[in-house]
Amino acid sequence: AQSVSQHNHHVILSEAASLELGCNYSYGGTVNLFWYVQYPGQHLQLLLKYFSGDPLVKGIKGFEAEFIKSKFSFNLRKPSVQWSDTAEYFCAVRGNYQLIWGAGTKLIIKP
Amino acid sequence: EAGVVQSPRYKIIEKKQPVAFWCNPISGHNTLYWYRQNLGQGPELLIRYENEEAVDDSQLPKDRFSAERLKGVDSTLKIQPAELGDSAVYLCASSSPRGVDEQFFGPGTRLTVL
Repeated sequence: AQSVSQHNHHVILSEAASLELGCNYSYGGTVNLFWYVQYPGQHLQLLLKYFSGDPLVKGIKGFEAEFIKSKFSFNLRKPSVQWSDTAEYFCAVRGNYQLIWGAGTKLIIKP
Repeated sequence: EAGVVQSPRYKIIEKKQPVAFWCNPISGHNTLYWYRQNLGQGPELLIRYENEEAVDDSQLPKDRFSAERLKGVDSTLKIQPAELGDSAVYLCASSSPRGVDEQFFGPGTRLTVL
C-alpha cells in the first residue's frame, strides 16, 4: 500500500536557522511528489512539485526539495527561515491519480 | 481568478442529524476532489469526480455519505446521519485536467458533531 511518512510532527526553529523537513514514501511505480503548505487561517497551497528531470526542485518563498529515488525521499529545505514561514507543511505522493498525504509537520519560527 | 469556494466554513450539529457541504471549483477545472482531514493528519480522499462522473469513490463510507456533482460544476457532499467520529475538516479541491497538475484547495468546512 502507498504511504507517506513525515518524520517530525512539530519543529521549532529560530529565525535565520536552516530547515530540513523529512518525507519518505512507499510506492513502487512512477511517482509525482508534492509539498503543500498551510499558513495559519489559510487554505492548503502548493509549495513545490517534482514530476521528472532535475531531482532538485525549487519552489516559492525560497524553498527547495530534493528527490532521492534510492532513498524514497523528498525532503524539503530552506537555508534561512523567517517568522512568516510558521505553518503546517504536508508532503504528498501521487500514484494512479490519487494523492497520498503525510500527517504534516507543524513548523514554528521564533522571532 | 476566484479560488475554490466552500460553504459553510463551520458547522456544529448533534449526532444523527444530516449535514451537507457545498463546493464550487475553479472555473474550467473538470476534476473535483472531496477530502476529509482529521486532527493531526493529512487529508484523505473521499471521492474524485471527472466532470460529473465519480471515478474514485472507494473510500467514501457509502452507508452514510453521498456526493453529487450535477452538470460537472458544483458539488455537494452529504452525511446522513452524522456520527461523533465524523468531526473533521472537509476539504474540496479541483484541478485540470485528469489530476496531473496541482490541486487547488478551498478553505474547508470544519464539522463538529456533538
